[in-house]
Order: sequence, then C-alpha cells, then structure tokens
Amino acid sequence: GAVVSQHPSRVICKSGTSVKIECRSLDFQATTMFWYRQFPKQSLMLMATSNEGSKATYEQGVEKDKFLINHASLTLSTLTVTSAHPEDSSFYICSAKDSSNYGYTFGSGTRLTVV
Amino acid sequence: GESVGLHLPTLSVQEGDNSIINCAYSNSASDYFIWYKQESGKGPQFIIDIRSNMDKRQGQRVTVLLNKTVKHLSLQIAATQPGDSAVYFCAEKGPGSARQLTFGSGTQLTVLP
Repeated sequence: GAVVSQHPSRVICKSGTSVKIECRSLDFQATTMFWYRQFPKQSLMLMATSNEGSKATYEQGVEKDKFLINHASLTLSTLTVTSAHPEDSSFYICSAKDSSNYGYTFGSGTRLTVV
Repeated sequence: GESVGLHLPTLSVQEGDNSIINCAYSNSASDYFIWYKQESGKGPQFIIDIRSNMDKRQGQRVTVLLNKTVKHLSLQIAATQPGDSAVYFCAEKGPGSARQLTFGSGTQLTVLP
C-alpha cells in the first residue's frame, strides 16, 4: 500500500530557532499534501493544503509566514516552523493524496517540543 | 468543525465484546467518509471507508454504517481485542473537487481484560 515517510519523529528546539519537518510519499505521486496539527487529547486540525509547484493554501488563523510550506516535487513536502515558541509545541502530521478522489495516506507524525 | 478545547469521549468495553463508536459529521454534501485509528504518538491509520452512495460497508472485524438523513456515521468492531485500544476518528471529505478531510472529535476506546 501507499506509504508516507515523515521525519523527524520528534524534535526539541530552543525558542527562536526554526525547525523543518519533511514528508515524503515513497511509492506514489502526491498531487496534494496536507499538514495538520494536533494538541493532546484533541482532534487533527488542518493547517494548510499544498499542491506541487504552487503556493500552499492556509486555513484561517494559521500564519503563513510562521509555518512555511514547500511542495517542490510530487513526492516531497516540507513544513518549516520559523522562530518557534513554546506554544508551537505540538504533534504535526502530514497527509499525502494521490490523483484519485479517495487516496489519503498519513505520515507517522512529528512531536515538536520548543523549550 | 474542529473540537478545540474538548476532551475526548471515552468508551470502555470488555475484551471479546463488540464496540460501537459513533460520529456526527457536519456537511450534508460530503461524499466520502473514513474511519481512522490513532495510537499514542503515531499518525492516523486507515481502518475503513465508505462513499456517500452506500449505507454500509464491511471489512475484517469492522463495519461502517452511514446514515445521511441524520448525518451520522458509526464504526462497529467485532470481538474487540486489547490491540484495538486507541483513539478513533471519523473524517469527511467535501463534495466534488474538495480535497481536504475534516476530522471529528475522536473517541478513546479502552479494551478491558
């Protein structure tokens, strides 16, 4: 089946630094990738949607200058959390969609802790 | 919509019993629904899906029921096992060209020995 690889699985960074999270589709071309954030005991909240080669579409309330998304190829999308603060500490999850209407595959998530 | 600030509903069942997890979805025009299982510290894992032109779909030990009249989705797990303990989310996709999934609030399932 379709596999999405997400790295790193966990990262600790200092306040004010930037962190990059990678999401790769290993055996299919991801026409669309999604980035979610999940706080403890809560649901997944969509942050942004990105199509290969175009700018990401951000959900209301998500700062595009803080959460930089790059989707330069059909198999790779990156999320960079810039100038991280403790309130950015969360579980970030990517999802990749193939060209069909129904194929969604999730990464294993990244636990970000900002100290 | 999102469930910011809410605690997860919980369901406890005895090992071997059947589990039923419910979900109310938000968009009457959604055309595709998925149930995901999420274990602690991991990403969502696909369990079963159903399209809006169906009202029931069965998999191995799992059944999804869709009631479009009341915008309700349920997941039935037969002979629940300890490995089924996790948080379960339903997700819906909007109609037509809409691509993103909207997740429900989730249910914490605990299987008791």
